[in-house]
Amino acid sequence: DTEVTQTPKHLVMGMTNKKSLKCEQHMGHRAMYWYKQKAKKPPELMFVYSYEKLSINESVPSRFSPECPNSSLLNLHLHALQPEDSALYLCASSPQGEPSNQPQHFGDGTRLSIL
Amino acid sequence: DAKTTQPNSMESNEEEPVHLPCNHSTISGTDYIHWYRQLPSQGPEYVIHGLTSNVNNRMASLAIAEDRKSSTLILHRATLRDAAVYYCILRGLIPNNYGQNFVFGPGTRLSVLP
Repeated sequence: DTEVTQTPKHLVMGMTNKKSLKCEQHMGHRAMYWYKQKAKKPPELMFVYSYEKLSINESVPSRFSPECPNSSLLNLHLHALQPEDSALYLCASSPQGEPSNQPQHFGDGTRLSIL
Repeated sequence: DAKTTQPNSMESNEEEPVHLPCNHSTISGTDYIHWYRQLPSQGPEYVIHGLTSNVNNRMASLAIAEDRKSSTLILHRATLRDAAVYYCILRGLIPNNYGQNFVFGPGTRLSVLP
């Protein structure tokens, strides 16, 4: 069982839809992350929030919009996605704000399919 | 750009020890060596991390070379549930040119044979 909870576990959406991915942690962690993982590839960092502020944006297309309403919650808003955006989206958290050398704790991801 | 290199795949027999190597010749003095594993259909799972000394926990042991340019993750008795992709990652306080201090490489896919 993971202490980082992601919902939904699966999501199928059309290219014109708007949806959101949600991530929660109640460990008091101060950094939260979004990763994208394609099949048979390692996770790639998309966004980092440190003390609820966006600190790294890895040149992700604007059709992905992150939001951190509070220290326990992280959202990823999706709009006008492309078929190549189909992937596993992983959320992670870490005890300290970035930069840090502390471990990251991952959720089990949302598997997203774009029709 | 990952700062570590690992074999693409390894095989082990069940109930035998497994030694997973990782090279990190450009490690800096403040980089910690982290190991994660990813089981099928799950997110990555933290296994162990260390700076200079060898480390042990309930999951595994981490042996770090004296010059810190390589490390080995040791699973003492492999089980079928240990079949996963194992990632060795350097994590420090100084980010790379892209502002990252935690980059996944391709990892090692471990197969455990019954």
